[in-house]
Amino acid sequence: AQSVTQPDIHITVSEGASLELRCNYSYGATPYLFWYVQSPGQGLQLLLKYFSGDTLVQGIKGFEAEFKRSQSSFNLRKPSVHWSDAAEYFCAVGPGNYGQNFVFGPGTRLSVLP
Amino acid sequence: DAGVIQSPRHEVTEMGQEVTLRCKPISGHDYLFWYRQTMMRGLELLIYFNNNVPIDDSGMPEDRFSAKMPNASFSTLKIQPSEPRDSAVYFCASSYSSGAFFGQGTRLTVV
Repeated sequence: AQSVTQPDIHITVSEGASLELRCNYSYGATPYLFWYVQSPGQGLQLLLKYFSGDTLVQGIKGFEAEFKRSQSSFNLRKPSVHWSDAAEYFCAVGPGNYGQNFVFGPGTRLSVLP
Repeated sequence: DAGVIQSPRHEVTEMGQEVTLRCKPISGHDYLFWYRQTMMRGLELLIYFNNNVPIDDSGMPEDRFSAKMPNASFSTLKIQPSEPRDSAVYFCASSYSSGAFFGQGTRLTVV
């Protein structure tokens, strides 16, 4: 069965500092991987996605993520965090073109110090 | 496109009442998903449709929950009768092949 883990429940960084949020997955085939962000009281917004090709993908709001098959990881990064990045971040797997369910990780809450 | 539209945004109802949540997916998207989010359980997939056909409803918690998609532009999630433990935020999402787009959610409170 497919699963997604996000080892960090809560991360606090200072504004301007770099950020890396970890995501590990378990999946039987080539994964379709996603990162979503959820601000308080809002729905989930797609930050970026990986299907194939270049393992470093760029997303919105200055975020990027790197797919590492050998480590079953898809970590999210940002070189300089802004106060407005404080939110909950979810890593997810699927669905592929053959219609598997989305599986979300438990989320990582990001706090940003001024 | 206005994105995925859900209504109502907030719903407060008494235990035992019927609740209907509504969703309008993004035009052209062939997948529609209903999720429930709670602090305790996180995001749970309840059911999803492909081309208006329910594909997997294994996440629907009980027979009290039902979902329909009568056409490509509308879906409902119904809870009858509602219970306090159904209180949560319910999200609808739609997708074309992959990469789902979420609505703003409906916050349901059952008292």
